Amino acid sequence: DAGVTQSPTHLIKTRGQQVTLRCSPISGHKSVSWYQQVLGQGPQFIFQYYEKEERGRGNFPDRFSARQFPNYSSELNVNALLLGDSALYLCASTGTGDIRSYNEQFFGPGTRLTVL
Amino acid sequence: SQQGEEDPQALSIQEGENATMNCSYKTSINNLQWYRQNSGRGLVHLILIRSNEREKHSGRLRVTLDTSKKSSSLLITASRAADTASYFCARLNTGGFKTIFGAGTRLFVKA
Repeated sequence: DAGVTQSPTHLIKTRGQQVTLRCSPISGHKSVSWYQQVLGQGPQFIFQYYEKEERGRGNFPDRFSARQFPNYSSELNVNALLLGDSALYLCASTGTGDIRSYNEQFFGPGTRLTVL
Repeated sequence: SQQGEEDPQALSIQEGENATMNCSYKTSINNLQWYRQNSGRGLVHLILIRSNEREKHSGRLRVTLDTSKKSSSLLITASRAADTASYFCARLNTGGFKTIFGAGTRLFVKA
């Protein structure tokens, strides 16, 4: 079975541009979470989606938005890119939206975004 | 900002030695998780320890949890070069919808 997949693998943009990152969860998983990982730091939570609804949002500006599709895949959009948005963007999927129960998160390989 | 802190930030050991990484956190938890990340790639879940557990084993991994001190440790025994990676502790926020990661410990195992 395929794990979590993300595309593209690498991306180079310039300041002010917009970017869309894509994630496909493990088959049967209904929840997707997005994380930003700046070099040398741990991942920081951006969004969680479950059944196409936003369940939670981290401390990120409104330039960051996301959505989840009926097939449970997800897109993360970042507008008006800043140099500080350069990071590894990770997607994780879980079986249900209630990770208190605890449902293990499975991470994709990430998209490396470089903003010049 | 990160709400879990690992120490040391970096650790370099010889193959065959044991590696110990520590994690501290600030609020109460239901469980604590440890993850591994190879070379800036995706994270792999290693082990979860619940708040009512004090110790848990998985292969060469041993995790301890001290809720009174709000701390946890990950021990890797008989380390191998392939264990070279970054290790993160993580916990759920109060609402249960986001995982909060520490800054990680970078482990380098020399062959």
